[in-house]
This record gives sequence, structure tokens and C-alpha cells, in this order.
Amino acid sequence: GESVGLHLPTLSVQEGDNSIINCAYSNSASDYFIWYKQESGKGPQFIIDIRSNMDKRQGQRVTVLLNKTVKHLSLQIAATQPGDSAVYFCAETDAGGTSYGKLTFGQGTILTVHP
Amino acid sequence: GAGVSQTPSNKVTEKGKYVELRCDPISGHTALYWYRQSLGQGPEFLIYFQGTGAADDSGLPNDRFFAVRPEGSVSTLKIQRTERGDSAVYLCASSLGPIGVSSYNEQFFGPGTRLTVL
Repeated sequence: GESVGLHLPTLSVQEGDNSIINCAYSNSASDYFIWYKQESGKGPQFIIDIRSNMDKRQGQRVTVLLNKTVKHLSLQIAATQPGDSAVYFCAETDAGGTSYGKLTFGQGTILTVHP
Repeated sequence: GAGVSQTPSNKVTEKGKYVELRCDPISGHTALYWYRQSLGQGPEFLIYFQGTGAADDSGLPNDRFFAVRPEGSVSTLKIQRTERGDSAVYLCASSLGPIGVSSYNEQFFGPGTRLTVL
């Protein structure tokens, strides 16, 4: 990914609301897209992934949408809880190519959930 | 079970010194990655090991950085003549491998080592 400044996008929601976090990716050859959650002082934690031949995938309280036409990825969190507060990163990988599955991370978004 | 562990959790050093950062991957994971994360940014790829060999070191910023994985398990990232710009969190991740043509193996990240170069 491209380097970004120190000011990450932020999203503030009330507990119980739905959250939508967006991400633009750059590599048309990427075949997997992954969302990670990172809490302060911890490493990124896998949330959900989606393969490039899909446009939607659902998990527990989370849904990922992929729009390859505009190279856009979104993460929807239902009934957001205070424990969801963290920085969220999208990542892409070309697992079938020569990148050996190494991840290219996008710009993070700070999610803050107010009780 | 045990996740990826990294030691030390924090390392403060002076400019010009040599440092080693250690990563213990999840047992049985043959693929190991090092990433670097600067403040306010996403992790950036440094190097990838499949077994004992470095299959892709294209992310290492210069020849001051080197990594080894002699027995295909524990890996050490070595930084010579540290500079203030090397200050960052160094993350290690492991996954089941090898990466297949049509498969993606989830990468499990460790907590990172926060390196501060004074």
C-alpha cells in the first residue's frame, strides 16, 4: 500500500448501531482481500476474508462487500459493541501469483464505539 | 493453543547499535512473515520465509536489515547500525504453507516488538 499520513480516518458510533468501514485497494491482480482488527498494543487480528470471485461474504456480525469494478472493499459490523473499538485495516494479497501471500495493507480506520 | 510470540516486547537502543528481534511462530506453520508498522500506518511487508529459506526479501529497506530462520521455526530479524528512522513496531506473522495456487492461508500475527532508536 501507499504510505499515508498520521491522521487516520475515524468513525464514531453508538453502541448497537451498525458500522460501515470502507477501503480502496490498488492491485487488480489481488485475489484475496482480508479485514484485520488491531487493538492498541496488539498485532492485527483476522476478522474475515473474501476471494476475488465473490462480491459478498458474511460472518458473525460482520459482512464484507467487494466491488472489483471500482476496487472498493467494505466491512459492515452489525450491532456494534464497545469491544469493537479498534483500528481496522483492509489488506490484499495475490496468493496465486508471485507474492507468496504477503499482505499489502491499506489505510486504517479508527472505530470508536460509545456506550 | 499458543499463538505467535515475539521478544522483546520493547527495545530501546541508541543510534548506530545492533539489535535482534525474535519471532516464535505457531507450531507447524511453515510460512513466516516480517512486517514493519510505523505510527498511524498499516503494516508493510519486509520478508517472507518458507521453511528455512527467505523466499522473498523484497521488502527489506536496505542491507542493514537481515533475517534468518535456520531451523525453519524461530526467526530473528537483525538490524545493523540502527537509525532513528528504524523506530517502529516490528510484527511477525505465521501461516500454514506452502501457499497454493488457489488458496490463501490466514496469517496469525504476534504482538510485535516496539523498537525505539534514540
